[in-house]
Amino acid sequence: GAVVSQHPSRVICKSGTSVKIECRSLDFQATTMFWYRQFPKKSLMLMATSNEGSKATYEQGVEKDKFLINHASLTLSTLTVTSAHPEDSSFYICSADSGKGAYEQYFGPGTRLTVT
Amino acid sequence: AQSVAQPEDQVNVAEGNPLTVKCTYSVSGNPYLFWYVQYPNRGLQFLLKYITGDNLVKGSYGFEAEFNKSQTSFHLKKPSALVSDSALYFCAVRDESGAGSYQLTFGKGTKLSVIP
Repeated sequence: GAVVSQHPSRVICKSGTSVKIECRSLDFQATTMFWYRQFPKKSLMLMATSNEGSKATYEQGVEKDKFLINHASLTLSTLTVTSAHPEDSSFYICSADSGKGAYEQYFGPGTRLTVT
Repeated sequence: AQSVAQPEDQVNVAEGNPLTVKCTYSVSGNPYLFWYVQYPNRGLQFLLKYITGDNLVKGSYGFEAEFNKSQTSFHLKKPSALVSDSALYFCAVRDESGAGSYQLTFGKGTKLSVIP
């Protein structure tokens, strides 16, 4: 149990275009989902926390208009990188919290975004 | 604010020898502590957690960790290392008094290399 999927696993897009990354909890309902960004050989940087049916809470320094997060259902959250630039190239990882006292977060396999 | 320190960027250990990956933390309330492992180009896999109870926590793949409140440490250990244990290990903390926030704060990660 507690499986989180991400799609796509890898995406290449041109500078100026937008790309959407999906995060799904496959066998549980996720009241809260998190989006992280990981730079090479670095730790995870929390970008935002999304709660189903409400606006995401962004961490300081993360542009909410650039990184659009939607948590439309208890099993799906999406991250849209708008007007992507090469500096947005990174490994994006989502996680989900079932909110049922398990405490740990369950992580997706990550999405490698390359902006050319 | 909560924080996690992993003082070693890299740990090298011979196959069959015991391994230790160090982690210290700082929180204002009671800590919830976690260890995750990441293989190349993959998401994070949950290894173990300390919430309350016994200070020695046993987790997946033969790993265990010891919670030491006086030293604010939560070191990851394994009695006999395998080559397949080679990966990036992250320690994370969540403040129990975080007023409902489920945010995890991660250490910078420690790369474990097990030498055949």
